[in-house]
Amino acid sequence: KAGVTQTPRYLIKTRGQQVTLSCSPISGHRSVSWYQQTPGQGLQFLFEYFSETQRNKGNFPGRFSGRQFSNSRSEMNVSTLELGDSALYLCASSLRLAGGPANEQFFGPGTRLTVL
Amino acid sequence: AQSVTQLDSHVSVSEGTPVLLRCNYSSSYSPSLFWYVQHPNKGLQLLLKYTSAATLVKGINGFEAEFKKSETSFHLTKPSAHMSDAAEYFCVVSDRRSGYSTLTFGKGTMLLVSP
Repeated sequence: KAGVTQTPRYLIKTRGQQVTLSCSPISGHRSVSWYQQTPGQGLQFLFEYFSETQRNKGNFPGRFSGRQFSNSRSEMNVSTLELGDSALYLCASSLRLAGGPANEQFFGPGTRLTVL
Repeated sequence: AQSVTQLDSHVSVSEGTPVLLRCNYSSSYSPSLFWYVQHPNKGLQLLLKYTSAATLVKGINGFEAEFKKSETSFHLTKPSAHMSDAAEYFCVVSDRRSGYSTLTFGKGTMLLVSP
């Protein structure tokens, strides 16, 4: 069974640009969550999608948005990039809503975004 | 709100000696607790999880953790460290009040293993 895949693996952008990251969950998984990982703030929850609906959102500005398609693939978009958006963006999928009892999240390798 | 504190940012051990990574959590409800490991340039992998069954949880690669409600702790242990255990470890909590839909991660503990 293929794992969670994220594309691209590496991205370099300049301030003010926008970026779209893609995540393909494990087959059959309906929940996709996004996290931002930085050395200073650690792992922070961005949002979770389940059955094409955003179920939960972390404390990030509106520049961060996402969506989920009918095949459960998800995209995350960041507009008007800032230097502080440089981070590793991780996607995780699970069968049911994330964090539920005995519900394991499977993580992808991440997309390393560098904003210059 | 739920929270988790990993008491050590770095832990150094010698190969073959025991590993102890400490985690304290805060949750007013029935928590689910997880330990994840992240190797360099890799995603996170689940080591083990506690979901109100047995308080002593066994995971992969010889790791185990004990849930102690009275101490609000969920420390990760391994009897004998291996070089391949060098990685960053994250303690994670989720509780019923949040609808189990949000995972809160600790800041991570970097485990260094010397030969």
